[in-house]
Amino acid sequence: GESVGLHLPTLSVQEGDNSIINCAYSNSASDYFIWYKQESGKGPQFIIDIRSNMDKRQGQRVTVLLNKTVKHLSLQIAATQPGDSAVYFCASSIGGGSNYKLTFGKGTLLTVNP
Amino acid sequence: EAGVVQSPRYKIIEKKQPVAFWCNPISGHNTLYWYRQNLGQGPELLIRYENEEAVDDSQLPKDRFSAERLKGVDSTLKIQPAELGDSAVYLCASSGRGTAPGANVLTFGAGSRLTVL
Repeated sequence: GESVGLHLPTLSVQEGDNSIINCAYSNSASDYFIWYKQESGKGPQFIIDIRSNMDKRQGQRVTVLLNKTVKHLSLQIAATQPGDSAVYFCASSIGGGSNYKLTFGKGTLLTVNP
Repeated sequence: EAGVVQSPRYKIIEKKQPVAFWCNPISGHNTLYWYRQNLGQGPELLIRYENEEAVDDSQLPKDRFSAERLKGVDSTLKIQPAELGDSAVYLCASSGRGTAPGANVLTFGAGSRLTVL
């Protein structure tokens, strides 16, 4: 079945450094991946997504890399700021339309030290 | 735009009592989801609606959980009777249609935190 996991449950970085959050998935049929940020007491907030026909996608200060060979994706945050402190979830799905179903990993807690 | 609105934000009940959560999705979003998030875990899908039809309720514990989306807009999730293990955050999300970038992205509400004593 589909499972999504994270290599590290916590990550602590200094303000201004770059952060890298990793995620592994198990089902090679997964074709859509998404990163969410969740601050305390709030719902998950969309950061960036990527489809399996791409291996890299960039947003504002964030980059997602997808390596289908080893079933791994990562979220890179440039010049990490205190406001980036949150739990980050990766999620994946297989197919779209009526089969669209996101499976979330456990999350990585990112702490940014000033 | 208000985003996905959920209520109540917090609910504390004793076991065996009923509880209901309400969700108003983003205007125009046909797909509505209820997720449950246990402490320290990622969200897990309970049920997905396409308009008023429940197209995936395979993860919904049907002995005590029920949901409805009568007019294809607002939705209610009910638990009766609640058990200690139901303590969690219940998240509602909605998404639109189409193949344009971001069309299928789920937008989540703030969640309803349930504590069962």
